[in-house]
Amino acid sequence: GQNIDQPTEMTATEGAIVQINCTYQTSGFNGLFWYQQHAGEAPTFLSYNVLDGLEEKGRFSSFLSRSKGYSYLLLKELQMKDSASYLCAVKDSNYQLIWGAGTKLIIKP
Amino acid sequence: GAVVSQHPSRVICKSGTSVKIECRSLDFQATTMFWYRQFPKKSLMLMATSNEGSKATYEQGVEKDKFLINHASLTLSTLTVTSAHPEDSSFYICSAPGAGETEQYFGPGTRLTVT
Repeated sequence: GQNIDQPTEMTATEGAIVQINCTYQTSGFNGLFWYQQHAGEAPTFLSYNVLDGLEEKGRFSSFLSRSKGYSYLLLKELQMKDSASYLCAVKDSNYQLIWGAGTKLIIKP
Repeated sequence: GAVVSQHPSRVICKSGTSVKIECRSLDFQATTMFWYRQFPKKSLMLMATSNEGSKATYEQGVEKDKFLINHASLTLSTLTVTSAHPEDSSFYICSAPGAGETEQYFGPGTRLTVT
């Protein structure tokens, strides 16, 4: 079956750096997405990786290793507003998005 | 950027009644829209793919007679939860793909509570 694994919850301190990991086993691979979702709201797009390596976008970076079925989202200079759930999703061979359960990130002052 | 709206944002209904949720693409046309449901602390679960001008494609385990989908135009898809029960209470989100590989625009979601 298809599976996306990410930690359920993480805690970090304001101003620090946090890395959220995601491992996947899917039938085919056509890209990996990271979304941010605040409670009670729809997800918002953060990043997209289809080739191995690091994609940097401001305070957020996303890394992909296709051979390892692994990605991480790196958040720097954490702000209180970064408290949210972070969803990892993979497009499979049918271009269908398979979603992880999300990682709830709690930022403490 | 492209905007997708959903209406209503919150709805409370009694068990046995039906509820319609609308999903609109506001400044672009969407021949395809996706309907998801999300339980608290759980992942997004794709329910069905709505196709303009043809029948929706339902995911395994989703009752098509209970969750009626109509893609009436290139900017509107509706999900009707028929004969709602408390276990249908959930967060329902629609999305529409954009022109590019990475683009998928989500609506703000509808919180359904069935009493």
